[in-house]
Amino acid sequence: QEQLVQSGAEVKKPGASVKVSCKTSGYIFSDYYMLWARQAPGQGLEWMGRINPKNGDTNYAQKFQGRVTMTRDTSISTVYLEMRSLRSDDTAMYYCARAGPIAAAIIWGYYFDFWGQGTLVIVSS
Amino acid sequence: DIQMTQSPSSLSASVGDRVTITCRASQGIKNDLGWYQQKPGKAPKRLIYSASSLQNEVPSRFSGSGSGTEFTLTISSLQPEDFATYYCLQHNSVPPTFGQGTKVEVK
Repeated sequence: QEQLVQSGAEVKKPGASVKVSCKTSGYIFSDYYMLWARQAPGQGLEWMGRINPKNGDTNYAQKFQGRVTMTRDTSISTVYLEMRSLRSDDTAMYYCARAGPIAAAIIWGYYFDFWGQGTLVIVSS
Repeated sequence: DIQMTQSPSSLSASVGDRVTITCRASQGIKNDLGWYQQKPGKAPKRLIYSASSLQNEVPSRFSGSGSGTEFTLTISSLQPEDFATYYCLQHNSVPPTFGQGTKVEVK
């Protein structure tokens, strides 16, 4: 059964960093892109970036360039999202999602297929 | 960036009603559009891909249509478990962008 399981909730102070994990199972890790998105309380969904688990290549939304790093550990089929210099408006639910196959047409690399359960990050002094 | 505009932002309906939600793209996206359902405190769940193809696990009362810039999600007979917020997503160009959501509430 294909599954994405994210790490638990975090409470951070402004200026700190956070690292969220997303453990995958039930499919071949290196065959599919992974996406990250976030949702502020009561708000809509916002794409943050993408990682290719096969080679580690990333691309980030312009808004998060320089503040976000996505990595992966192929030995445990897990991807990570690290965000630095946290602000109060970074308080949100952070989601990983599996995208389409790396071998498929480009458009499927940005399709949110199925999602992790979310990780709540609260930034508060 | 492509802007996705959903309408209405919310609606009130009763069990058994037919419900239609519209999503408009600021430029043509062919049929590179998905629909998602989100319940409070839960992650979004995929419903439809390629504008009109139903995901395997999704009941047939859900359907999607459209191409280019205008798309619709229809629930033919609303069930109690369908009260939720619905989002469209365009993945035709980077960055992928979501509509702002449509909340379907009990009338």
